[in-house]
Amino acid sequence: DVKVTQSSRYLVKRTGEKVFLECVQDMDHENMFWYRQDPGLGLRLIYFSYDVKMKEKGDIPEGYSVSREKKERFSLILESASTNQTSMYLCASSFDRYQPQHFGDGTRLSIL
Amino acid sequence: AQSVTQLDSQVPVFEEAPVELRCNYSSSVSVYLFWYVQYPNQGLQLLLKYLSGSTLVKGINGFEAEFNKSQTSFHLRKPSVHISDTAEYFCAVSFRGTYKYIFGTGTRLKVLA
Repeated sequence: DVKVTQSSRYLVKRTGEKVFLECVQDMDHENMFWYRQDPGLGLRLIYFSYDVKMKEKGDIPEGYSVSREKKERFSLILESASTNQTSMYLCASSFDRYQPQHFGDGTRLSIL
Repeated sequence: AQSVTQLDSQVPVFEEAPVELRCNYSSSVSVYLFWYVQYPNQGLQLLLKYLSGSTLVKGINGFEAEFNKSQTSFHLRKPSVHISDTAEYFCAVSFRGTYKYIFGTGTRLKVLA
């Protein structure tokens, strides 16, 4: 069974800090995704990657960057955290673009 | 424009009653359709998918959905719900020829005793 692991379930950081969220998948999937989930807004795509060292902007990339140095790992970086980035962050992976996505349990991030 | 709409933000239903959660999409290309469920403080879990073939697809936990191309819909149904079905349900659509994968805003299903 596919396992997508996010490094933290809960995280509290301060405004202006650089924040790293890590995601690892164990099924050799090509595609990986970062979403944020807010009440009433559903899931919004921040960035995705379809290959190592490749990345594409999603719908809301501002204030975020990503890194994919190895196939199994996809990191989301908040360059200078702000309070409006308080949210639930979900990582997902998929075999190809048309297959279901497999999700981690999420990281609930609070920026104070 | 490509979009996914879940019109109902919340659906209350009594235990053992049937339920239908609605999903409509807009697309000029072929689509692949998915329903996911999210329990509190967890990630999303796949319920069922339509990639091709029979338009009626069956998933886990007794759920099924029907792809209706003419109405651009993919409604989720269950003939008899349980308390444990209380969760948030997301419809998602992947669009052929693109990396676009759009989620609806979700429907909170609350099953009442």
